[in-house]
Amino acid sequence: GAGVSQSPSNKVTEKGKDVELRCDPISGHTALYWYRQSLGQGLEFLIYFQGNSAPDKSGLPSDRFSAERTGGSVSTLTIQRTQQEDSAVYLCASSYQASISYEQYFGPGTRLTVT
Amino acid sequence: GESVGLHLPTLSVQEGDNSIINCAYSNSASDYFIWYKQESGKGPQFIIDIRSNMDKRQGQRVTVLLNKTVKHLSLQIAATQPGDSAVYFCAENYDSGGSNYKLTFGKGTLLTVNP
Repeated sequence: GAGVSQSPSNKVTEKGKDVELRCDPISGHTALYWYRQSLGQGLEFLIYFQGNSAPDKSGLPSDRFSAERTGGSVSTLTIQRTQQEDSAVYLCASSYQASISYEQYFGPGTRLTVT
Repeated sequence: GESVGLHLPTLSVQEGDNSIINCAYSNSASDYFIWYKQESGKGPQFIIDIRSNMDKRQGQRVTVLLNKTVKHLSLQIAATQPGDSAVYFCAENYDSGGSNYKLTFGKGTLLTVNP
């Protein structure tokens, strides 16, 4: 079946503009995660959704970052007034349930470049 | 904050040799560990996991060793192949009560397999 998909695959934007990144999780997966991967770094947790529960936003670096998950499926990560330090690969993952016992499947990521 | 280098640790091996990739984890209370493989342009892919009540776990051509005394994790790849060339990440999970989904990733090691 289809894996996690993300769009766009690449996004170049000017400093100060807003961007929206999209994630389509695997059908039936109730948990969805966003991570950020800066050049040469590991993955940094941003936000997590589980069903209808309140999301865990503890990893969002600033109030310029927000995310939604509509209908328990597709998620959008929005970055307002982008800064150059926002340049990174943004990865989305989903899992059957919100427990480490269930493997997280990652999408290919969106590479964001802020000029 | 602490400055972080942009250059990943690298390991270069000959095809057919065994590879050992090391990881020092941060939290002595972490009770679950995962190794991921990330090929260029793709999201991380699960390789193998281990719980803290184990010292060793074997998969197909891979073995993970856990040394809790020194907070060290290693991934051994037998008979390394060119397709094993990728960045390898370790990740740890500490269930602090309600967050048994959150992973903390290491910075990764670049493995290059020479034919």
